Amino acid sequence: GQNIDQPTEMTATEGAIVQINCTYQTSGFNGLFWYQQHAGEAPTFLSYNVLDGLEEKGRFSSFLSRSKGYSYLLLKELQMKDSASYLCAALDSNYQLIWGAGTKLIIKP
Amino acid sequence: GAVVSQHPSRVICKSGTSVKIECRSLDFQATTMFWYRQFPKKSLMLMATSNEGSKATYEQGVEKDKFLINHASLTLSTLTVTSAHPEDSSFYICSARRASTDYNEQFFGPGTRLTVL
Repeated sequence: GQNIDQPTEMTATEGAIVQINCTYQTSGFNGLFWYQQHAGEAPTFLSYNVLDGLEEKGRFSSFLSRSKGYSYLLLKELQMKDSASYLCAALDSNYQLIWGAGTKLIIKP
Repeated sequence: GAVVSQHPSRVICKSGTSVKIECRSLDFQATTMFWYRQFPKKSLMLMATSNEGSKATYEQGVEKDKFLINHASLTLSTLTVTSAHPEDSSFYICSARRASTDYNEQFFGPGTRLTVL
């Protein structure tokens, strides 16, 4: 079956760095997305990886290893507004997004 | 660019009534639109995929007669919750896949919170 695993909740301190891991098992693979979702709002796009390696975009970076079925989202210089759920989603062979349950990130002062 | 709107943003209705939710891609043509449902503190659950001009493909366990989807144009899809009941109360989110995008990114609408009394 198809499956996405990511931690349920993480806590980090303002100004620090946090890494949110995601492992996936899908029927075929056409890329991996990370989305940010604040409570009561729709998800917003953060990153997309389809090739192995690290993609950096400002304070956020995303890494992919296709051979390991593994990705992580790295958030630097954490700000209170980064408190949100972070959703990992893999695109399968039918270009269908398979969603993880999301990681709730709590930022403490 | 790539803005998706949803209307209404919030709706409260009585049990037994039908509710229509609109999803529009405002500045691009969407080859495919998706309807999701999200329960509190849970991830998104795909309900159906709709392509313009054809019947929607429903996920297993989603009643097609209860959740009617119409994708009349490349910029508009509607979800009608028929004979709504309290268990249909949820956050409904649509997304649209842009026709020209390189990597099939989905752009999300702001969501519709449905409360059935």
